[in-house]
Amino acid sequence: RKEVEQDPGPFNVPEGATVAFNCTYSNSASQSFFWYRQDCRKEPKLLMSVYSSGNEDGRFTAQLNRASQYISLLIRDSKLSDSATYLCVVSPITQGGSEKLVFGKGTKLTVNP
Amino acid sequence: DAGITQSPRHKVTETGTPVTLRCHQTENHRYMYWYRQDPGHGLRLIHYSYGVKDTDKGEVSDGYSVSRSKTEDFLLTLESATSSQTSVYFCAIKQGVGQPQHFGDGTRLSIL
Repeated sequence: RKEVEQDPGPFNVPEGATVAFNCTYSNSASQSFFWYRQDCRKEPKLLMSVYSSGNEDGRFTAQLNRASQYISLLIRDSKLSDSATYLCVVSPITQGGSEKLVFGKGTKLTVNP
Repeated sequence: DAGITQSPRHKVTETGTPVTLRCHQTENHRYMYWYRQDPGHGLRLIHYSYGVKDTDKGEVSDGYSVSRSKTEDFLLTLESATSSQTSVYFCAIKQGVGQPQHFGDGTRLSIL
């Protein structure tokens, strides 16, 4: 099983739609979770951290399910500007002072007029 | 935006030549990372650093070396570039354990 798995999509949705992405991770000891977005030919940018109790930032809601080892991202009222690739990121437990984040391959979203 | 500068932004070179990419940060963050990104593979970790002169290998470290002689600079060197190393290279920094990473703008490297 891959460390972090995402549905690659693409997801094509109309403006105003609600869309949800899921991501599963294999390391049950993982401590930190994030969603990034990446626009074409640009660097990944932090969208939001994911907290155990779930968290919301405007139209974006992130959830964490530790028992099932998945995280989700919900986007409500989609905008054209939401078109991007969304990366799921997981941080395993720290070992010896070093820490690596593990990135999923991303889910591509296109919001159509 | 996080103070991260990658240089050069674009480079074209020939097989067999040495190449050095630089990542410079002004945030005084402890952790620094080098990734490559290729179609179908996503982001893959090459090397990372958790302090001055403290580095470790990532999943695709063969053919690459790194150095971190001071907090603000993390250098990635291709000793003898090959066409398979044509890619987009991203540097990232992180303040501490459990914190997210912040990325530089990337370097587009073409090996002919």
